[in-house]
Amino acid sequence: NAGVTQTPKFQVLKTGQSMTLQCAQDMNHEYMSWYRQDPGMGLRLIHYSVGAGITDQGEVPNGYNVSRSTTEDFPLRLLSAAPSHTSVYFCASLSSGGTQYFGPGTRLLVL
Amino acid sequence: DAKTTQPNSMESNEEEPVHLPCNHSTISGTDYIHWYRQLPSQGPEYVIHGLTSNVNNRMASLAIAEDRKSSTLILHRATLRDAAVYYCILMEWGSQGNLIFGKGTKLSVKP
Repeated sequence: NAGVTQTPKFQVLKTGQSMTLQCAQDMNHEYMSWYRQDPGMGLRLIHYSVGAGITDQGEVPNGYNVSRSTTEDFPLRLLSAAPSHTSVYFCASLSSGGTQYFGPGTRLLVL
Repeated sequence: DAKTTQPNSMESNEEEPVHLPCNHSTISGTDYIHWYRQLPSQGPEYVIHGLTSNVNNRMASLAIAEDRKSSTLILHRATLRDAAVYYCILMEWGSQGNLIFGKGTKLSVKP
């Protein structure tokens, strides 16, 4: 199993640009989520999904959209980048045993 | 969600045991105690979790106080690879896995 994979690893955007952060898992987990981590801080939940076709907002959803058309994929779309979106983004999936598996992260810099 | 309190940082010597404390005085009866760690430049990884009884796995042990208001993650022999930020998180079973991360404890391991 590859686990949770994320692309790209690193991205630089200009203010106002949009992009999609990709996340995929091959463990057939129903629950997936996106977090962001700012320097020196813990992770904060952006959006989550309890299964294909179902998504909901987390603690810091503003400026982001998600969709879940398949169990495997959970892309995060940044609508209009701002410097405040500079962060490291982690995708995660939840096993039936209650363990979260995190991807390696995407580092985003918005100029 | 109930909150946890952890020391900001701790130091340990290599090959010595490490006891990482966590206070959670407002824990509810259905909250599981989870520990995750985050190595530098990586996503968080699951360490261990428990409800009432002490738990052991290949990575660590979890000692839970009888009143469940505190717990301790025990690394039996710290290695340099254990240097990471350790997060103590409460998660209600069936809460859809929305982890609430604090700042955690940064563990430094000296050779």
